[in-house]
Amino acid sequence: ELKVEQNPLFLSMQEGKNYTIYCNYSTTSDRLYWYRQDPGKSLESLFVLLSNGAVKQEGRLMASLDTKARLSTLHITAAVHDLSATYFCAVDDYKLSFGAGTTVTVRA
Amino acid sequence: DTAVSQTPKYLVTQMGNDKSIKCEQNLGHDTMYWYKQDSKKFLKIMFSYNNKELIINETVPNRFSPKSPDKAHLNLHINSLELGDSAVYFCASSQDKNYGYTFGSGTRLTVV
Repeated sequence: ELKVEQNPLFLSMQEGKNYTIYCNYSTTSDRLYWYRQDPGKSLESLFVLLSNGAVKQEGRLMASLDTKARLSTLHITAAVHDLSATYFCAVDDYKLSFGAGTTVTVRA
Repeated sequence: DTAVSQTPKYLVTQMGNDKSIKCEQNLGHDTMYWYKQDSKKFLKIMFSYNNKELIINETVPNRFSPKSPDKAHLNLHINSLELGDSAVYFCASSQDKNYGYTFGSGTRLTVV
C-alpha cells in the first residue's frame, strides 16, 4: 500500500526565516499535490506537481518534485504569520493518499 | 457560487441513529469522492464514484453506504452510528487529475 510520509509533523517558524517541509512517498506516481488547511476549514489547493523536476512557486511558497527520489519539498521563504496552517502533501496513484500533515505555527 | 457544497456543516447525533450527508458539485466533474478526517487530521479516502459508478470502495464498515443519483451528487448514508464515526467528512470532485481535486467545506459529525 502507498505510504506518504511528511516531516516534520509540527513546525514552529520564526517570522522572516526560511523552512522546508518534506514529503516522501513509496510509489512511482508522478502526480503530487500540496494542500493547505486552516483550522475548521476545507483543503485549499496550493500546488499540482506533475512530472520529475517540476517546480512551482506562489508567493512565499515553492514546491518541487523529484520522482526518482520519491520526494517533494515545500519551501517557505521569509515566514509570515499568515502562513500558520496545516500543510498536506498527497500522492495520486489510483487514489489520492495523504501525508499526516505538517502543522505550522509562525511566531514573531 | 460554491463549487463543492456539503450539507449539513455540523451534525450531532446519538449512537445508533442513521444519518445522511449530502454533497453537490457544480463544476461538471465526472468523479466524486468521500474522505474522512479523524481527530488527528489524518485524511483517508472512503469512496469514489465516476459518473454514478462506484470505482473505489476502501475498507469502510458496510454501515456506510454512498449513493450517487447523478454525477453532480454524491451522498453518504451512515447506519447505526458509533462513537468512532465522529470525524470530519469531506466530499471532493475531480475531472482531470492534472488539475487536482476540489474539496467541499466538510461536515463535522459528532456522535454522542
